[in-house]
Amino acid sequence: NAGVTQTPKFQVLKTGQSMTLQCAQDMNHEYMSWYRQDPGMGLRLIHYSVGAGITDQGEVPNGYNVSRSTTEDFPLRLLSAAPSQTSVYFCASATLGTDTQYFGPGTRLTVL
Amino acid sequence: GEDVEQSLFLSVREGDSSVINCTYTDSSSTYLYWYKQEPGAGLQLLTYIFSNMDMKQDQRLTVLLNKKDKHLSLRIADTQTGDSAIYFCAETYQAGTALIFGKGTTLSMSS
Repeated sequence: NAGVTQTPKFQVLKTGQSMTLQCAQDMNHEYMSWYRQDPGMGLRLIHYSVGAGITDQGEVPNGYNVSRSTTEDFPLRLLSAAPSQTSVYFCASATLGTDTQYFGPGTRLTVL
Repeated sequence: GEDVEQSLFLSVREGDSSVINCTYTDSSSTYLYWYKQEPGAGLQLLTYIFSNMDMKQDQRLTVLLNKKDKHLSLRIADTQTGDSAIYFCAETYQAGTALIFGKGTTLSMSS
């Protein structure tokens, strides 16, 4: 198993550009989520999904969209990037109701 | 809403014990977690404790849970250079599977 994969590893955007951060898992996990990590702020939950076709907002959803058309993929979309979205983004997956979440390696995004 | 608080920095001498403290707000959390993040790396699950337990020991790690005070601690015995990292406490979000993290405690070695 590849586990949780994220692409790209690094990305630089200009303000106003759009892009999609990709996340995929091959463990047949129902649950997937996106977090952002900023210095001194820890990880904050952006959006999560408990299964295909079901998504919900976390702590900091504004400026981000998600969809879950398949169990394996959970892309995160920035429709109009802002400098405040400069961060490291982590995707995670888990079997619902279990104690272990698996984190991807992260995507480092810079918005100029 | 949910909130997890931790002190930001801890400095210990090699060989001493480290104790990292955390307070949380959601009493319905089923599990409480400790994650470790080394520089430039992702998150590694260190250990977790089920909410009906008071203590869990795993080699050099001891987790203590005080549900009444909503206080969680992680003790690392015989702290080594390789333990230098940021340690995050986390609770479950709205009793589900998503996690709410503290801001992280940076553990470093003092000379």
